[in-house]
Amino acid sequence: DAGVIQSPRHEVTEMGQEVTLRCKPISGHDYLFWYRQTMMRGLELLIYFNNNVPIDDSGMPEDRFSAKMPNASFSTLKIQPSEPRDSAVYFCASSRASGSYTGELFFGEGSRLTVL
Amino acid sequence: KNQVEQSPQSLIILEGKNCTLQCNYTVSPFSNLRWYKQDTGRGPVSLTIMTFSENTKSNGRYTATLDADTKQSSLHITASQLSDSASYICVVSAGSSASKIIFGSGTRLSIRP
Repeated sequence: DAGVIQSPRHEVTEMGQEVTLRCKPISGHDYLFWYRQTMMRGLELLIYFNNNVPIDDSGMPEDRFSAKMPNASFSTLKIQPSEPRDSAVYFCASSRASGSYTGELFFGEGSRLTVL
Repeated sequence: KNQVEQSPQSLIILEGKNCTLQCNYTVSPFSNLRWYKQDTGRGPVSLTIMTFSENTKSNGRYTATLDADTKQSSLHITASQLSDSASYICVVSAGSSASKIIFGSGTRLSIRP
């Protein structure tokens, strides 16, 4: 079975440019998460969706970040305009709930973003 | 405040040796605890899950323990291999909300030949 697929794997851009990260979750999973990982702060939840609906976006740093999930098989995380402090590895993860949420997170390989 | 603390931050051991990684948590209400392994440049992968009633669970050379009274968990790796070099992340779920998944900062394990 295909796992969570993210693209691009690496992105180098200049400050002020728009960045779009993409994610295809595992088929049948009803939760999708976007995380950011840095050496200083570890893994931080940015936003998560349940059945394509954004449930908690309190982790989104500021208005420059936005995320969408137009259908069950695709999600995007957009940064506009990008800043050097956005440099990090962005992970998408999906999960399948069973009753109360205790689902295992299945992570993609991550998108390493460098903003110059 | 929900927190997960791991120790040590980093560890270097020789191939073939055993090691134990620690996780202390202050999470309420406790739902479950997972250990994830993250290879360099890859996403984390779940190794094991512990629920409130479980004390020990093994997955090959990995054995996780949970003491719900002291709110501590450990991950023991037996007969380490070079492929065990990775970061190990303790993750605790609080209640039933998918947003209440608390990540530890991880232990970076290096296995030397």
